[in-house]
Amino acid sequence: QKEVEQDPGPLSVPEGAIVSLNCTYSNSAFQYFMWYRQYSRKGPELLMYTYSSGNKEDGRFTAQVDKSSKYISLFIRDSQPSDSATYLCAMSTNDYKLSFGAGTTVTVRA
Amino acid sequence: NAGVMQNPRHLVRRRGQEARLRCSPMKGHSHVYWYRQLPEEGLKFMVYLQKENIIDESGMPKERFSAEFPKEGPSILRIQQVVRGDSAAYFCASSPYRSDRGPLREKLFFGSGTQLSVL
Repeated sequence: QKEVEQDPGPLSVPEGAIVSLNCTYSNSAFQYFMWYRQYSRKGPELLMYTYSSGNKEDGRFTAQVDKSSKYISLFIRDSQPSDSATYLCAMSTNDYKLSFGAGTTVTVRA
Repeated sequence: NAGVMQNPRHLVRRRGQEARLRCSPMKGHSHVYWYRQLPEEGLKFMVYLQKENIIDESGMPKERFSAEFPKEGPSILRIQQVVRGDSAAYFCASSPYRSDRGPLREKLFFGSGTQLSVL
């Protein structure tokens, strides 16, 4: 079993729709949860960062962490074609190593 | 403000040759991390370095792989006697460091990666 599971998709939605992404994990010691966006042939770019359980909102992005279920989510409201990318979840314990999901490829159709 | 710079962007090597990947962190960042991304897999941690010091290399294969971050110049990931299984995208990231908190993982900045292809 992988430490972090993420559905690879692909996910295709019309412009303006809500994009819903999620990851599950097995290591209950994870405390830091992140979402990265990766465009083709580019490095990951940090979108959202959350410590422990709860919700965090930043513009059109909302990140949720449910530690009791070992489940994290990212929601993108009013999606735009420019949101088309691969989204990676990542998490860590109280140190510097990040454990990444395999990524979900999202296409927003104009 | 230049980001994390990696070069080359693409590197082609034949089996048995050596590959050298370079990473210059963001200005003011003193901590460098190397990750490897295999097709259909997530990024995997390889090594964490400070200037002139390897902090953690637990993700590095025991053979053929080495990394350094000298006092002057970029960080280097070196792969000796490459094999086809080494073909992957290698990403470098850097972060600032605070004495009261350690490396600021929420401020991890990635480069655009080096795509290594082994023929």
